[in-house]
Amino acid sequence: ETGVTQTPRHLVMGMTNKKSLKCEQHLGHNAMYWYKQSAKKPLELMFVYSLEERVENNSVPSRFSPECPNSSHLFLHLHTLQPEDSALYLCASSQDGQGASYEQYFGPGTRLTVT
Amino acid sequence: QKEVEQNSGPLSVPEGAIASLNCTYSDRGSQSFFWYRQYSGKSPELIMSIYSNGDKEDGRFTAQLNKASQYVSLLIRDSQPSDSATYLCAVFDRGSTLGRLYFGRGTQLTVWP
Repeated sequence: ETGVTQTPRHLVMGMTNKKSLKCEQHLGHNAMYWYKQSAKKPLELMFVYSLEERVENNSVPSRFSPECPNSSHLFLHLHTLQPEDSALYLCASSQDGQGASYEQYFGPGTRLTVT
Repeated sequence: QKEVEQNSGPLSVPEGAIASLNCTYSDRGSQSFFWYRQYSGKSPELIMSIYSNGDKEDGRFTAQLNKASQYVSLLIRDSQPSDSATYLCAVFDRGSTLGRLYFGRGTQLTVWP
């Protein structure tokens, strides 16, 4: 266990559904991330939150909406997804700032299937 | 766009051999480098971090960094079948606002008994 938990671990949803992915880190970190990993493709960074400030990747469709209520919790709200959004969604956390190691620790991921 | 390049493999070595995984990166200003191991169907696991030129050893793993050549490698000594996984190289870039990791596509390693 890395100290980063994600729920649910598996999710099947229709294209008209709305669902949310949850991530919680117990490491005292101040930065959290959402990544997408599709088969045969490299990890794609979706969103970064550091000290609760969001950096948005402009290539992420608006059907993905992140929320970071505090430094320990991160959500990814999903709506009107497409089949090509089926992937492993990974949450990670790190300590950012002066003298930090910037080591990122990943949660177990949510395997999402859009039907 | 920062680039991190890895040999896609697959790399296949016999048990007990040394596995050598290589990675190059495009941004000369990068300062922090990481190796992750990812088993099939699982999430990436951090196994090595290196920040300065030279070698860093941790058990059977040795990371090597050469900033002048923009090259980082991972050696796995006495390879075991349990080392069979995809190894991801990652480079941290502080950027203008918030930092982020740039990942390579990964090298698939198979260690056969």
